[in-house]
Amino acid sequence: AQKITQTQPGMFVQEKEAVTLDCTYDTSDPSYGLFWYKQPSSGEMIFLIYQGSYDQQNATEGRYSLNFQKARKSANLVISASQLGDSAMYFCAMRESIQGAQKLVFGQGTRLTINP
Amino acid sequence: NAGVTQTPKFRILKIGQSMTLQCTQDMNHNYMYWYRQDPGMGLKLIYYSVGAGITDKGEVPNGYNVSRSTTEDFPLRLELAAPSQTSVYFCASSYSISAGKGEQFFGPGTRLTVL
Repeated sequence: AQKITQTQPGMFVQEKEAVTLDCTYDTSDPSYGLFWYKQPSSGEMIFLIYQGSYDQQNATEGRYSLNFQKARKSANLVISASQLGDSAMYFCAMRESIQGAQKLVFGQGTRLTINP
Repeated sequence: NAGVTQTPKFRILKIGQSMTLQCTQDMNHNYMYWYRQDPGMGLKLIYYSVGAGITDKGEVPNGYNVSRSTTEDFPLRLELAAPSQTSVYFCASSYSISAGKGEQFFGPGTRLTVL
């Protein structure tokens, strides 16, 4: 069975610093995808970044990058130059494909707080 | 383009009551999903659908039913509500992964309390 582990329940970072949120995964499927979602206090789920298991390069989306280490089965999210608006819950998720649909398995999340 | 919409936003049910959570998407996605999020936890898949008329169970389907009569709508039915079903419910939709990343687009959620 697929599993996602986020070991940091909470992180506190000073504004403008970079922050790394940890995510490790476990799967026996050679083809998989990894997602990061942001959940602000308002509750909605916002897609941030995606990494496919066969992608040669680490994914980047603006200030977000994914440090993908396949051998270690880790997919850490890096946020550069953090902003107050980055304060939120962050979830790592792994895709299991069933008939083209994507069943996402989520980690428990990391609550990130950016201090001014 | 409204994306994924859910109604109601909030609901309080008494034990044993039933209700339907509505979900509609206007992105012509074939794939739709229902998740629940318990306090301090990640999301868990309840049911999913790969197209109109086709649904299947996810990780936590007990106490729920779904139907998919159109591409746009994917309602979730709670029968005989129990306190353990107190949660935030999210509906999501996606394209197939063959069309790209296949990221899921989420609705705003329904906060349900069963007393």
